[in-house]
Amino acid sequence: DVKVTQSSRYLVKRTGEKVFLECVQDMDHENMFWYRQDPGLGLRLIYFSYDVKMKEKGDIPEGYSVSREKKERFSLILESASTNQTSMYLCASTIRNEQFFGPGTRLTVL
Amino acid sequence: GQNIDQPTEMTATEGAIVQINCTYQTSGFNGLFWYQQHAGEAPTFLSYNVLDGLEEKGRFSSFLSRSKGYSYLLLKELQMKDSASYLCAVRDTRGGGATNKLIFGTGTLLAVQP
Repeated sequence: DVKVTQSSRYLVKRTGEKVFLECVQDMDHENMFWYRQDPGLGLRLIYFSYDVKMKEKGDIPEGYSVSREKKERFSLILESASTNQTSMYLCASTIRNEQFFGPGTRLTVL
Repeated sequence: GQNIDQPTEMTATEGAIVQINCTYQTSGFNGLFWYQQHAGEAPTFLSYNVLDGLEEKGRFSSFLSRSKGYSYLLLKELQMKDSASYLCAVRDTRGGGATNKLIFGTGTLLAVQP
């Protein structure tokens, strides 16, 4: 079974803090993605990576950065968290025609 | 531009059949996906269509018409556990086909009633 794990299910941070969200997949997938999901807006792509040290901006990259130092790990970084970044964050990795999602991290920024 | 439309909410009765529609407009197309998402959980893959026609998988079927930019997900013999959001997503070929970047609709919340 493909497994995508995320470091936290729930996270509470303060405005201005630096936040790291970690995602790990165990199936040697090349493509990995970070989305955020908000009511009424659906899933929106923040960043994706198609190989180690490679990254591309998605539709809403502002305020975020990513790191892919190893194939199995894709990190999302909020350099200075703001309240409008309160959301559900979902990581996914891809094999052929299917994206496998992690369980999600519900981030609250106070 | 890109646009994916699906109804916001639907209600159906246990044991019945329900059809969830999705229309899309994208600059490049390389497949349409349906995902199921229960409240508080991650989306799980249901189906993939890249050619026109109907794909059947147990109680769930998915249809695609590329010329009309249209798909539907058909759920038969509805069960209470089918209450969930159903997400339509299109694989966008902008920037080349090397990546599987998906554009998601906002999802259809299906409520199955006894």
